[in-house]
Amino acid sequence: SAVISQKPSRDICQRGTSLTIQCQVDSQVTMMFWYRQQPGQSLTLIATANQGSEATYESGFVIDKFPISRPNLTFSTLTVSNLSPEDSSIYLCSVEDRGSSLEQYFGPGTRLTVT
Amino acid sequence: GESVGLHLPTLSVQEGDNSIINCAYSNSASDYFIWYKQESGKGPQFIIDIRSNMDKRQGQRVTVLLNKTVKHLSLQIAATQPGDSAVYFCAEAPFGNEKLTFGTGTRLTIIP
Repeated sequence: SAVISQKPSRDICQRGTSLTIQCQVDSQVTMMFWYRQQPGQSLTLIATANQGSEATYESGFVIDKFPISRPNLTFSTLTVSNLSPEDSSIYLCSVEDRGSSLEQYFGPGTRLTVT
Repeated sequence: GESVGLHLPTLSVQEGDNSIINCAYSNSASDYFIWYKQESGKGPQFIIDIRSNMDKRQGQRVTVLLNKTVKHLSLQIAATQPGDSAVYFCAEAPFGNEKLTFGTGTRLTIIP
């Protein structure tokens, strides 16, 4: 399975600022996904990021708040803009394993706290 | 909307016993199901998956059972160990769709 790293692993940010999270994969992958996991809750898909096209956002998530870049097949960034305390969550990227049709593997997550 | 849910939020099992974690889903178009394990401070870890054309699949100490008639999924962990303590999520995707919908999670605690 792919090895996925995320930076930063955690951060504390002030209200109104932005945080950009990086996701790096050790192999080329077509599909990359960004999820949010609010404290003590399950995972919610934010958007799907394919290389060479704009990200596809799920209901309740908009590009202005969560801009995503996917410059190549091994890297993606998620920015959480205009932070508020409600954005305090764990943000996770995942990739689809090319060797298996739908298996998704997750990075370790970025824990964001907004003060 | 469609949802994937779990019957029990917490489960405590004696070390060495078997555990069963249940999951109900409501989307009749669900075709692919995955179980993930999430330890504290880590991302979800893939455990096992199953497609809708199967009703059982086994891995190392784990078995996933799928009952499409009642839209029910279960994860059985045999001979539990302290390292099995974690939150377990089921997730599903409809046919031809890679977007996963996650259940609410069950916290499994293994009692030494």
